[in-house]
Amino acid sequence: KNQVEQSPQSLIILEGKNCTLQCNYTVSPFSNLRWYKQDTGRGPVSLTIMTFSENTKSNGRYTATLDADTKQSSLHITASQLSDSASYICVVSVTSGTYKYIFGTGTRLKVLA
Amino acid sequence: SAVISQKPSRDICQRGTSLTIQCQVDSQVTMMFWYRQQPGQSLTLIATANQGSEATYESGFVIDKFPISRPNLTFSTLTVSNMSPEDSSIYLCSVGTVLNEKLFFGSGTQLSVL
Repeated sequence: KNQVEQSPQSLIILEGKNCTLQCNYTVSPFSNLRWYKQDTGRGPVSLTIMTFSENTKSNGRYTATLDADTKQSSLHITASQLSDSASYICVVSVTSGTYKYIFGTGTRLKVLA
Repeated sequence: SAVISQKPSRDICQRGTSLTIQCQVDSQVTMMFWYRQQPGQSLTLIATANQGSEATYESGFVIDKFPISRPNLTFSTLTVSNMSPEDSSIYLCSVGTVLNEKLFFGSGTQLSVL
């Protein structure tokens, strides 16, 4: 069964600190992996997208890594800001006849001043 | 990137009524999807909106409850019919570009059913 699991479920950090969010997937055949940021009451916004051959992708203070062998990805946030408070969703794409997106349950990040 | 306009942004509805949500994209896109996000949960795909034909529904979702239209490549509607409090959720329109390399989301419709 195609699944995407994220950890931790929630996280609280102080402003200025770094943090790392995890995503493990059991998806086949794998096409790509995306990280999204979703502010409360808003739609998800894309942060990064990585294909099978990519190990890392950065977008400002966000850096995503992908290990296709262990089927793990991480999202590292550097020097966190209050505006980073949001849910972060890992999404894996499957190509098997039809195109499908498998969503993780997300990590809720709260950055405190 | 694709800019998606989704309306309404929120609504409070009475049980038994229906609500139609609109999704307008500023460019022609191949794939349009409708998702539901229940409180504290991740996104669940309701259906893929197909241009000029019936939508493709996921398991657990039926056309009578969630009729979808897509008359052209830039516009789609989702209707939530005969609503109950269990339908209270965020409904999201999403579009995919060629080869689904990119996936964009509308800002969502927050629906509360009393």
